[in-house]
Amino acid sequence: GDSVTQMEGPVTLSEEAFLTINCTYTATGYPSLFWYVQYPGEGLQLLLKATKADDKGSNKGFEATYRKETTSFHLEKGSVQVSDSAVYFCALRGTGTASKLTFGTGTRLQVTL
Amino acid sequence: EADIYQTPRYLVIGTGKKITLECSQTMGHDKMYWYQQDPGMELHLIHYSYGVNSTEKGDLSSESTVSRIRTEHFPLTLESARPSHTSQYLCASSPNGGTGGEKLFFGSGTQLSVL
Repeated sequence: GDSVTQMEGPVTLSEEAFLTINCTYTATGYPSLFWYVQYPGEGLQLLLKATKADDKGSNKGFEATYRKETTSFHLEKGSVQVSDSAVYFCALRGTGTASKLTFGTGTRLQVTL
Repeated sequence: EADIYQTPRYLVIGTGKKITLECSQTMGHDKMYWYQQDPGMELHLIHYSYGVNSTEKGDLSSESTVSRIRTEHFPLTLESARPSHTSQYLCASSPNGGTGGEKLFFGSGTQLSVL
């Protein structure tokens, strides 16, 4: 079945550091890929998405490129801020699985001054 | 931005009680979901619905039940709560139709603690 594997946290960075959170997936066909973010005390919200190979999703300085050859969708940001501290979830919606999203385990990011 | 609401935000209850977690959305979405989030943060789909009178069990077995009598309302019920049901429950909805790239809108969650 579909699955998502993302790097374990917590990840602790200083403000303005470069961020990478790795995400790889297993799915048949051509899934859509997503990154969701969960700020403390809140529900999940979509950060960015990509629906086909080589697409790059971007939002709020975050980027992720859909790499079919490596089945990856790594999240990157050039300069993190304290306000980026949150839990980040990689997710996929496979083809033929209707509208169900499969989530990774989440990676907690803590940014310090 | 999200117009999906969950109540209560926090619930502490004794073993054996019947509880209902409420979820409502005002976006007219046909598709709604319940996810259980364990302390390690992992999300598991426990129920979903593609419209009125449609409910399906998700990937993770759950003793809870759901109903979908109205489009906007998707409550989750536990007939007899146990400590093993302690968790964060997240409700979500997504737009109708589409080709797979549609995002989910999440509520703020209900943190359930069963003593």
